[in-house]
Amino acid sequence: GAVVSQHPSRVICKSGTSVKIECRSLDFQATTMFWYRQFPKQSLMLMATSNEGSKATYEQGVEKDKFLINHASLTLSTLTVTSAHPEDSSFYICSAKRGIGSPLHFGNGTRLTVT
Amino acid sequence: EDKVVQSPLSLVVHEGDTVTLNCSYEVTNFRSLLWYKQEKKAPTFLFMLTSSGIEKKSGRLSSILDKKELFSILNITATQTGDSAVYLCAVDHRDDKIIFGKGTRLHILP
Repeated sequence: GAVVSQHPSRVICKSGTSVKIECRSLDFQATTMFWYRQFPKQSLMLMATSNEGSKATYEQGVEKDKFLINHASLTLSTLTVTSAHPEDSSFYICSAKRGIGSPLHFGNGTRLTVT
Repeated sequence: EDKVVQSPLSLVVHEGDTVTLNCSYEVTNFRSLLWYKQEKKAPTFLFMLTSSGIEKKSGRLSSILDKKELFSILNITATQTGDSAVYLCAVDHRDDKIIFGKGTRLHILP
């Protein structure tokens, strides 16, 4: 089955630093990957759609300069949280589809804590 | 505005009980409805439904979609403590966006 790998699973950083999260599709090529954010006991909120070889599409209210997305290859998308602040602490999950009309498969998520 | 509404938001039952989780939606350009189970980490895929009236089944879990009334149900029979999780319903658009409901938090008492 489809496998999506996300790294790191957990990161603690100081306020003002930047954090990079990687998302890889292991057994399929993903032209599109999706980045979600989840606060405790809340549902998944789509942050942006990452498109291979072009700019990401951000949802309303998501700062593109703060959450930098790079989708440089068909198997890798990265999300960089720049100048992180405590309010950025959250669970970030990437996902990808094997193809149009396929279900989303999720990475295991990254729990970010900004101190 | 597109939306996915799940009910109940939380549910506590005893092991062995049967539960029904509900998901209604208002979405333009509907493609499919998906159910996921989320425990401590990221969601795991359960079902994808595209056609009305066709039940999908996997062990004790089953789901069905009604595209006329715009809802789906997820049934779990003979529940076990390992079924305790948040169950998420999501709808996939033809423009490739997927919208999630808030989830149903299910707790199974031993």
